[in-house]
Amino acid sequence: AQSVAQPEDQVNVAEGNPLTVKCTYSVSGNPYLFWYVQYPNRGLQFLLKYITGDNLVKGSYGFEAEFNKSQTSFHLKKPSALVSDSALYFCAVRDMMNRDDKIIFGKGTRLHILP
Amino acid sequence: DSGVTQTPKHLITATGQRVTLRCSPRSGDLSVYWYQQSLDQGLQFLIQYYNGEERAKGNILERFSAQQFPDLHSELNLSSLELGDSALYFCASSVTRGEQFFGPGTRLTVL
Repeated sequence: AQSVAQPEDQVNVAEGNPLTVKCTYSVSGNPYLFWYVQYPNRGLQFLLKYITGDNLVKGSYGFEAEFNKSQTSFHLKKPSALVSDSALYFCAVRDMMNRDDKIIFGKGTRLHILP
Repeated sequence: DSGVTQTPKHLITATGQRVTLRCSPRSGDLSVYWYQQSLDQGLQFLIQYYNGEERAKGNILERFSAQQFPDLHSELNLSSLELGDSALYFCASSVTRGEQFFGPGTRLTVL
């Protein structure tokens, strides 16, 4: 069975500092990995994905994520945080061995960027 | 704008009632997914349809049902509503095995 964990409920970062939002996963086969962001009263927006290839994936709004197979992690990063990055971030995983397309989401990490 | 539309945006109803939520996927997407988001449960996968057929089932209650129509829009039916069913309900769509694109959600309040 696939699962994903976001160990931090909340992350606080000062504006201009680098940010990291952590995610670890568990799958039987190879993973598809995703990051989504949710702003207040909005649906989830796709940020980036890892399927195969380069372990560093670049996405929207200057975000990137690093896939680490040995640590089963897919942490979201940004070199310089903006106040507008404050939102709820979800990591998600799909197991490539599964016949269905079900994606499992983590519980979310609330990111606060302090001005 | 993701291209996924959901109606209505807000729904207020009473316990024991039945409601229908509607979703139109992005043009060309054959898969539709339904999720429930509540404060204490996070984002819970309910069910997936692919080209009119059920593909995967998650934590969907027996009181809930869904279907996908030939024009690919989908409806989620919630019946015998309870207070605990109050939540945000999201629909998402995707091409096969691609990333999912989410609609703006329907906020259901059961009084």
